[in-house]
Amino acid sequence: DIVMTQSPDSLAVSLGERAAINCKSSQSVLYSPNKKNYLAWYQQKPGQPPSLLISWASTRESGVPDRFIGSGSGTDFTLTISSLQAEDVAVYYCHQYYSPPLTFGGGTKVEIK
Amino acid sequence: QVHLVQSGSELKKPGASVKVSCKASGYTFTDNGMSWVRQAPGQGLEWVGYISTNTGNPTYAQGFTGRFVFSLDTSINTAYLQITSLTPEDTAIYYCARIAVAGDLADHWGPGTPVTVSS
Repeated sequence: DIVMTQSPDSLAVSLGERAAINCKSSQSVLYSPNKKNYLAWYQQKPGQPPSLLISWASTRESGVPDRFIGSGSGTDFTLTISSLQAEDVAVYYCHQYYSPPLTFGGGTKVEIK
Repeated sequence: QVHLVQSGSELKKPGASVKVSCKASGYTFTDNGMSWVRQAPGQGLEWVGYISTNTGNPTYAQGFTGRFVFSLDTSINTAYLQITSLTPEDTAIYYCARIAVAGDLADHWGPGTPVTVSS
């Protein structure tokens, strides 16, 4: 199984400041034939289901603000919120869909400082 | 637009069974598979498995074989998750999520069905 490890578990950032969440996979999720990383980021607000923010490590879903930036390749990935807004308070999960069993990181709780 | 509607919350006694439904609309049901994901109270996300809505072929994660069964009724665009021999450890929110055409990515999620197992 591919283990997804996120850090930190939580972080508090001032409004307008940058937040960065790291995600490391226990093996590469880069599929060489198509050069795509099978890595997604989800946002989950309290009492709501997860919502897909980024797929293929760096492709923002339609309607996702451009302050959400996904980067990385292979085994190391980062979700950056370039300027934190109040509505970004949530838990963020990384997720590999490279091979079953599909797995998620443990989540990172983002709060306002 | 894609819409997934799940059945309502359930309260069951240990040893009972539960069947959660997930009705899809806004797309061709058999074009996309369906994943099921569990979230225990205050915990993270855990993939239960998925089912091909085209062939009906299921794939279960380890730890979810035997008591967890996926099924479909394609005539009404609905996927089901049945759990038998419930224990308190099965208490969680169960989400269905549509799988994107490319890759096994869950791109749209249902609102979740809370299942509580308590005597």
